[in-house]
Amino acid sequence: QLVQSGAEVKKPGASVKVSCEAAGYTFTNYGITWVRQAPGQGLEWMGWISANSGNTNYPRELRGRVTMTTDTSTSTAYMELRSLRSDDTAVYYCARYEIRGVMSYWGQGTLVTVSS
Amino acid sequence: DIQMTQSPSSLSASVGDRVTMTCRASQSISSYVNWYQQKPGKAPKLLIYAASSLQSGVPSRFGGSGSGTDFTLTISSLQSEDFATYYCQQSYSTPLTFGGGTKVEIK
Repeated sequence: QLVQSGAEVKKPGASVKVSCEAAGYTFTNYGITWVRQAPGQGLEWMGWISANSGNTNYPRELRGRVTMTTDTSTSTAYMELRSLRSDDTAVYYCARYEIRGVMSYWGQGTLVTVSS
Repeated sequence: DIQMTQSPSSLSASVGDRVTMTCRASQSISSYVNWYQQKPGKAPKLLIYAASSLQSGVPSRFGGSGSGTDFTLTISSLQSEDFATYYCQQSYSTPLTFGGGTKVEIK
């Protein structure tokens, strides 16, 4: 089970940090990936982090604006997105990341609204 | 980046119908395709991984096939709870990418 933090409203230029707490499995045996979905749109992959090593992989478009971290003591993953723009308004999902990029279990989603 | 193209973008079907949707990759990706179901306001749910392996707990009416560039998701007998949007995703290389989705609607 993955439980995410609550909805956020941010102004353009601000940062947001979303959390994803894992339960029911050994956190360090898997990675965590983040996917976002703008209103009425499809799914966009934002990157992944190994919960064991902390290694990350981000897509080119978000590199420099996104940082993913984990806290193994609390089995929690975090995704921070900086320099927010209106087109960052979306539901942000975390998912358990398995071998060869399979996203097996998903959090409930966190709505981030960017508006002045 | 690998582009994933799904077709059709939407379809109408009746309960009990056999439904097929396709996903085409912009280059060969072996069998590294996964399929997800998403209902309105809910998170996606993994149905099929590695093109044809059924995720635990998913009904056997869902099936996947294909390799290389062309992949298919089939629902053998559509049930009322299957009305949703279906996404394919390639896991051959990063950045991981999704298709645009196929919305299955009630006829």
